[in-house]
Amino acid sequence: QKEVEQDPGPLSVPEGAIVSLNCTYSNSAFQYFMWYRQYSRKGPELLMYTYSSGNKEDGRFTAQVDKSSKYISLFIRDSQPSDSATYLCASKAGTALIFGKGTTLSVSS
Amino acid sequence: EPEVTQTPSHQVTQMGQEVILRCVPISNHLYFYWYRQILGQKVEFLVSFYNNEISEKSEIFDDQFSVERPDGSNFTLKIRSTKLEDSAMYFCATKTVATNEKLFFGSGTQLSVL
Repeated sequence: QKEVEQDPGPLSVPEGAIVSLNCTYSNSAFQYFMWYRQYSRKGPELLMYTYSSGNKEDGRFTAQVDKSSKYISLFIRDSQPSDSATYLCASKAGTALIFGKGTTLSVSS
Repeated sequence: EPEVTQTPSHQVTQMGQEVILRCVPISNHLYFYWYRQILGQKVEFLVSFYNNEISEKSEIFDDQFSVERPDGSNFTLKIRSTKLEDSAMYFCATKTVATNEKLFFGSGTQLSVL
């Protein structure tokens, strides 16, 4: 079974807040885990990807993968209004990306 | 930054008509993909294409769908006889070996089947 489930939104936070976005996946064969950001009327844009369990940091963004519990997280520190978008988690199976439904984040100033 | 270009941005068609969605990949990208997103639903994989042949396709990609690179640069998705349920945003994505797992998505073509 190839499924990625994502916490439903929308999520609204004030500027400067720490945001936590989460997904679970069902297939142990998934190797790569990604976070995409999608603005309205645009295609998804890759934020981060990781292959292994553990944390990966890039500026204000931290991706976390726990393969034992099949759990994927994205943390955004010091959130900004420009972070307002839909965030999609994805896992790779073969050549295909399997996406979660997305969490819409709104950061208010 | 280089972009994947999709045309048209919006396509309206009658049920049963053929449509062709076009994608201009980033120069030197060799792996091509089509995804679609029905309003309010997940982004879904349709097909991957490399070296002039389909690498993988999903259950959605049935005999009504086809892909090709007619002139060695553009990448097209054809739907032979559109159905109401084909209404969706269709995204082209490309990558090359150097970009590892990073897919570059176009802005999409919104297909409306009436």
